[in-house]
Amino acid sequence: GAVVSQHPSWVICKSGTSVKIECRSLDFQATTMFWYRQFPKQSLMLMATSNEGSKATYEQGVEKDKFLINHASLTLSTLTVTSAHPEDSSFYICSANSRGLAGLTGELFFGEGSRLTVL
Amino acid sequence: RKEVEQDPGPFNVPEGATVAFNCTYSNSASQSFFWYRQDCRKEPKLLMSVYSSGNEDGRFTAQLNRASQYISLLIRDSKLSDSATYLCVVNPNDYKLSFGAGTTVTVRA
Repeated sequence: GAVVSQHPSWVICKSGTSVKIECRSLDFQATTMFWYRQFPKQSLMLMATSNEGSKATYEQGVEKDKFLINHASLTLSTLTVTSAHPEDSSFYICSANSRGLAGLTGELFFGEGSRLTVL
Repeated sequence: RKEVEQDPGPFNVPEGATVAFNCTYSNSASQSFFWYRQDCRKEPKLLMSVYSSGNEDGRFTAQLNRASQYISLLIRDSKLSDSATYLCVVNPNDYKLSFGAGTTVTVRA
């Protein structure tokens, strides 16, 4: 089946630094990818929708200048957490629709997730 | 009110038992429903879609009740490997998914 790969799996950084997380669709083209954040024992919360070749669409309450999203190709989207602080520590997961459409007509495949710890 | 609400559990059951739990959703216009499974510190993986007429996949049965706006998941003959968090996922519009916080199931030997 379709695979989404996310890197890095774990990252520990100092407060104030920036961290980049990559999300790749390995065997399909994804015009749209989604970035989620999950705190312990809580729901996955959609942060933003990443659109290839255009600006990402951010959910209410998510700072676009802090969470920079770049979807430069049909197989790669990146999330950069700028000037990370301890409260940004979380599990970040990307996903893509297997049909690569904005609509959810196919199964949503998730990356392995990236666990960010900001000291 | 949250878009999707689940009983967090945990549901602790012995091997071979049947366990069932529900999930309620707030948007009556929701069209697609899914159960995902998430193991500790891992990404969610699709367990099954939920169809209007209800559907079964092996030991797993999913039901949808539109009138009361809930879906359910029943696991028969529980295995140790069924221990996980089960996420209720609802598609309220074309591209957004709403996730429940998950129901934790622990199957003991």
